[in-house]
Amino acid sequence: DAKTTQPTSMDCAEGRAANLPCNHSTISGNEYVYWYRQIHSQGPQYIIHGLKNNETNEMASLIITEDRKSSTLILPHATLRDTAVYYCIVRVANTGNQFYFGTGTSLTVIP
Amino acid sequence: GAVVSQHPSWVICKSGTSVKIECRSLDFQATTMFWYRQFPKQSLMLMATSNEGSKATYEQGVEKDKFLINHASLTLSTLTVTSAHPEDSSFYICSARSEVAGFNEQFFGPGTRLTVL
Repeated sequence: DAKTTQPTSMDCAEGRAANLPCNHSTISGNEYVYWYRQIHSQGPQYIIHGLKNNETNEMASLIITEDRKSSTLILPHATLRDTAVYYCIVRVANTGNQFYFGTGTSLTVIP
Repeated sequence: GAVVSQHPSWVICKSGTSVKIECRSLDFQATTMFWYRQFPKQSLMLMATSNEGSKATYEQGVEKDKFLINHASLTLSTLTVTSAHPEDSSFYICSARSEVAGFNEQFFGPGTRLTVL
């Protein structure tokens, strides 16, 4: 699976959009971009995933660049409960294979 | 949605004892489960892949005789930390692979905090 690079930490004001970047310059054509988050002392929570088109669900939006070498997770209106470590992972979808987690981005939402 | 549970949620044990952690898929059958370990302020590290009815596959550097994995049914996998020592204190997380409704993905449990005294 391709390696990803994320900033170590970010802050965001409550109510504002949180934009979390991820670089995956070695992504293969059949690899999807997944986002999970982990709130302190809990298991990872699935957020969203996509291949090349932008995706949106009730939690977030995923913007993938045309060359697929980077992506951005957008939390449109961050709340204090969104404070967590966000992991960007790339792997082949629908294989059920294991995830290899990077260091992630620690997002702190500030009141 | 697919729910994965772990039991216990936390455990404290004495050095040298063995501890068993259970991972259950509550509303789906999971042919494959994964075990991860997470030390404080670090990311999740995959320990092993557990397939129902067969031996687990361990990641490099993980001692299979120390971390015994049993996946005897489609809804239950257990991780036993044998002869635990303080350095085994960690957050252990499992995930289960769901193959229902054409959605082949993983769902994570809430984790088990192990403290070895």
